Amino acid sequence: DADVTQTPRNRITKTGKRIMLECSQTKGHDRMYWYRQDPGLGLRLIYYSFDVKDINKGEISDGYSVSRQAQAKFSLSLESAIPNQTALYFCATRASGGEYNEQFFGPGTRLTVL
Amino acid sequence: DQQVKQNSPSLSVQEGRISILNCDYTNSMFDYFLWYKKYPAEGPTFLISISSIKDKNEDGRFTVFLNKSAKHLSLHIVPSQPGDSAVYFCAASVTGTASKLTFGTGTRLQVTL
Repeated sequence: DADVTQTPRNRITKTGKRIMLECSQTKGHDRMYWYRQDPGLGLRLIYYSFDVKDINKGEISDGYSVSRQAQAKFSLSLESAIPNQTALYFCATRASGGEYNEQFFGPGTRLTVL
Repeated sequence: DQQVKQNSPSLSVQEGRISILNCDYTNSMFDYFLWYKKYPAEGPTFLISISSIKDKNEDGRFTVFLNKSAKHLSLHIVPSQPGDSAVYFCAASVTGTASKLTFGTGTRLQVTL
C-alpha cells in the first residue's frame, strides 16, 4: 500500500473552474508539502504545513490555497484555474525532529487546464 | 533565478559503465543536498544525501561528491544498470528553513544494454 496517496491522478478542467487536489498519508509525518513540476523547471514549492494549525506559503503560492484537514490530509485548491497552472502536482511528507530527514512523495496528479 | 542547476538534460550510458550526474548551485547558504530518482508516472524517491560537513557519501552503487568551493556536487552510479534509467533531480536546502527543498531541473539517464 502506498504511504502517500494523491487523488485524482489525472484531471482535465476548464479555465475558471475550482479544482481541489487531495493528499493523504499513512506515514504519521507532521510535515506536508505541495510542489508543482513543469517541463524544464524541476519541482517548485507551493505551500507547506508543519501541522494542522501551521500553513506556510512557498515559492509560488499565488493562485493556490491549501487546507490541512487533519495530520494525514493536505489539500491543494485552485480557486479559478488558468491554463498556466497546467502541470504535474506532487504532495510530499516529512517527519519532524531531524534536519536530515528526507521527503517522501506521492505519485502525482497531472492537471490540465483548457 | 535558478539556484540549483543541472545543465545536462539527458545522459546515455552503457550498462556496467559509470554514470556521472552533475549539479551546480549558487546559494552558498545551502548546507544539505539530496538526490531523488523519478520514474514515469511515479513521484520522486529519495536516493542519497550529503551534508556540507562531508565531501563524500556512499551507499552501495551510489556515491555523491560535494565540492563546496566550486558549489558543485555529483552523483556517481557504478556499475550502471538498466533499472537506473530514470530522471534524477538534485535538491538543496538550508538548515533551519523548515526543510524546504530547492530542486534542479533534472537529468534523464538512460542506461543502454
